[in-house]
Amino acid sequence: DQQVKQNSPSLSVQEGRISILNCDYTNSMFDYFLWYKKYPAEGPTFLISISSIKDKNEDGRFTVFLNKSAKHLSLHIVPSQPGDSAVYFCAASLYNQGGKLIFGQGTELSVKP
Amino acid sequence: DTAVSQTPKYLVTQMGNDKSIKCEQNLGHDTMYWYKQDSKKFLKIMFSYNNKELIINETVPNRFSPKSPDKAHLNLHINSLELGDSAVYFCASSPRVAGGTDTQYFGPGTRLTVL
Repeated sequence: DQQVKQNSPSLSVQEGRISILNCDYTNSMFDYFLWYKKYPAEGPTFLISISSIKDKNEDGRFTVFLNKSAKHLSLHIVPSQPGDSAVYFCAASLYNQGGKLIFGQGTELSVKP
Repeated sequence: DTAVSQTPKYLVTQMGNDKSIKCEQNLGHDTMYWYKQDSKKFLKIMFSYNNKELIINETVPNRFSPKSPDKAHLNLHINSLELGDSAVYFCASSPRVAGGTDTQYFGPGTRLTVL
């Protein structure tokens, strides 16, 4: 019973174009959503987050959009760079759950020069 | 000066053996976690500790026993290893017990292979 799902296992984008990574969730009680980036043989690193009371958060080239009615969030990377090639994990947290994060299964982004 | 470190990085062992994975963080964080990434690539939380106290214990077999000698260390001991225990195990830490407001910092992972 996966509460957070990333239905695209991979995405290939040309350098300079926009990358859009998608994530769906089922639990309407999630209070925060996060994106983590993972390179091979390394642990995930935090990228950007959004509170459930917001619909957009921007940090440089990275923007996360939240559509609560659709239980959907997306990460936009503009412009995409080859160094962005990695696996991106969507995660969600529940208030007062001991810091527990529930992760999706990841989307592997490949940015081609 | 690695923030969250794990040893070993790779662990290959036979079914039925007992093994430990060590985790240390030098960030001064109060909370530490263990996650398991299975063959389907989902990262699932197993345990979390805050100041050496168990906070989260997901439905993990009791063959898995976390031990926190101090708040900078959270080790994972696994008894009677089974084939299904093969996975990548990640340790993480965060400043406090919190949800999305506190970033979790992950170690590089330990790839466990049970033969």
